[in-house]
Parts: sequence; structure tokens; C-alpha cells
Amino acid sequence: EAQVTQNPRYLITVTGKKLTVTCSQNMNHEYMSWYRQDPGLGLRQIYYSMNVEVTDKGDVPEGYKVSRKEKRNFPLILESPSPNQTSLYFCASSLGPRDSSFTDTQYFGPGTRLTVL
Amino acid sequence: QKEVEQNSGPLSVPEGAIASLNCTYSDRGSQSFFWYRQYSGKSPELIMFIYSNGDKEDGRFTAQLNKASQYVSLLIRDSQPSDSATYLCAVTSYQKVTFGTGTKLQVIP
Repeated sequence: EAQVTQNPRYLITVTGKKLTVTCSQNMNHEYMSWYRQDPGLGLRQIYYSMNVEVTDKGDVPEGYKVSRKEKRNFPLILESPSPNQTSLYFCASSLGPRDSSFTDTQYFGPGTRLTVL
Repeated sequence: QKEVEQNSGPLSVPEGAIASLNCTYSDRGSQSFFWYRQYSGKSPELIMFIYSNGDKEDGRFTAQLNKASQYVSLLIRDSQPSDSATYLCAVTSYQKVTFGTGTKLQVIP
């Protein structure tokens, strides 16, 4: 089954304790992205990746790191989490841009609900 | 800051009516436009995408794009209670994707 998986689905942690949220897709997609969703603010893009070893900042990258060592995986790293990073996080993937346009549908993972105390 | 704006709602329509959802965007260089549906506690799922001016129809759904006015809309005909969800407008400019905050739709039986 074609899918995007995220782990863990729920996580409660404390301020400053490094954590990683994993994301994996089995569709051979080039493009992967991380979003956070907060009430009243909608989905905001944190980082995206065009392909292996190619990553770039979205609108809210502060406090986050990503890596793309393999095409299928795109982990989100919080080196020193803070309470303002409490949020619902989604990973998404798509085939990737065609020429200079970007028309591809994104497929979302199930979400990771993170609470930082 | 490139923005995508939607009325948060809730938009309430009776079952069988047409629901009209609207979205405006600020970046004239935007290339592709998507409508996603998100049920409470679930991940967004695509309803439609459009990238040329005009209308695009898929079953009960019609997306409309007017790049001159920087406006994209979604019409849902014969609305059903199962259509009750939050509808997210997404706009892409090259590789970056910007979402609106979503419009909550309630279809009243």
C-alpha cells in the first residue's frame, strides 16, 4: 500500500530533550516536506527536500533540523525542544516538480502530536 | 510573507445545497492551487488541483481559478453531511507550499 508513515504518533517530552520524528514514504517520491499545524495558524511549512541531500527552509524553520540521506526517509529533528514547539506535525511527499512548475499532489502522513512540557 | 487567506467559518449549508469556499493569495507568481479536505484529527487529503484559469470539474466538486484577481474557489454541489470538514486551500510557488488556515464547513441534515 502506497503510504507515508510517521513515528511516533504521539510524544510527550520535556524542554531541551533532543528528539527525532521519523517520516518514510514508499512511493519513490522526490519531494518531501514537514509541516506543523496549530489552531488558527493552519499548516505551516517547516522544511522541504527536493531530493537526496537537497533540503531548504520553509516558513518556520527555527528550532528544527532535517536530513535527507535516503530518498524514502526525511526525519525531523528537534535538538532542544521548547514548549512553543508543541504542535501537530505532518510529513508529506509528492513526485516532485516538473520543470519550473509544481503541480504535484502531496500525500500526507497520519501526523505526530508533540507536547513539550 | 506570502499569504493565503480563507474565511475560517463555520460555513453552514443545508444538505443538498451548494457550498462555496473561497481563497485569495498574495503571490502573483504562484503556479499551482490545491484544495485539501481535513477531517478532525486526520491528515489532509486532496480534493482537487488547478493551475490554469477557469473551471475544473470533478464529480460534485468544481474548482475555479482567476489569476488576475488572485482568487481560487471550490464549489461543492449536492452537499452531504459527510462533506462536513475543514477545507484547506494550498498555493505553490516553485517548491514552497503555503496553506490557508482553512474553512470549516458544516452540512446540516
